[in-house]
Amino acid sequence: DTGVSQDPRHKITKRGQNVTFRCDPISEHNRLYWYRQTLGQGPEFLTYFQNEAQLEKSRLLSDRFSAERPKGSFSTLEIQRTEQGDSAMYLCASSLVTAGLYNEQFFGPGTRLTVL
Amino acid sequence: GNSVTQMEGPVTLSEEAFLTINCTYTATGYPSLFWYVQYPGEGLQLLLKATKADDKGSNKGFEATYRKETTSFHLEKGSVQVSDSAVYFCALSKAGTGGGNKLTFGTGTQLKVEL
Repeated sequence: DTGVSQDPRHKITKRGQNVTFRCDPISEHNRLYWYRQTLGQGPEFLTYFQNEAQLEKSRLLSDRFSAERPKGSFSTLEIQRTEQGDSAMYLCASSLVTAGLYNEQFFGPGTRLTVL
Repeated sequence: GNSVTQMEGPVTLSEEAFLTINCTYTATGYPSLFWYVQYPGEGLQLLLKATKADDKGSNKGFEATYRKETTSFHLEKGSVQVSDSAVYFCALSKAGTGGGNKLTFGTGTQLKVEL
């Protein structure tokens, strides 16, 4: 399977705990995105990387959230001191950015986080 | 900022009925426009796109035309099938960068097609 993969698919945690999600993009893709989707809403942009550089962060990404892409391949999203409002589906997407061409974003299946 | 408004669902149709899901947008400049589909238990998939005014995107019998004058990108299909049951999201990306930049999504419209 050469698509975007995410791990775990489901995570249940207690309020105040830390959680970490992993995203493995399509291997040749240089851009990686994180989105958050709450029930009944469309995905909302959180942050994105061009190779290992984090180029933009949304205001939705509070100080409790941190994302990394250390070698320009897989990425991790960590949430510290989780709150019930963090319960959502966290989506990862990747694309191959080449100058002047349209770059489709390919989405992973998501990680569903439930904070009790 | 950029925003996308799409018609609320759920939309329930009989097989072979005509489908329209309305989508309007607010953005500066000339964004690229997309329809994504999410089948039950699966990730988001790009259904079709249009990158400039008057472009028509099409795929799997679905069509949408980029209308700058009405800031709209309505999704249509002439004859829906049960297998089209899914949630459909209208989205836009920052002007001039195609799909290479962050996407702004609408809230999604659930479509249910019955026999």
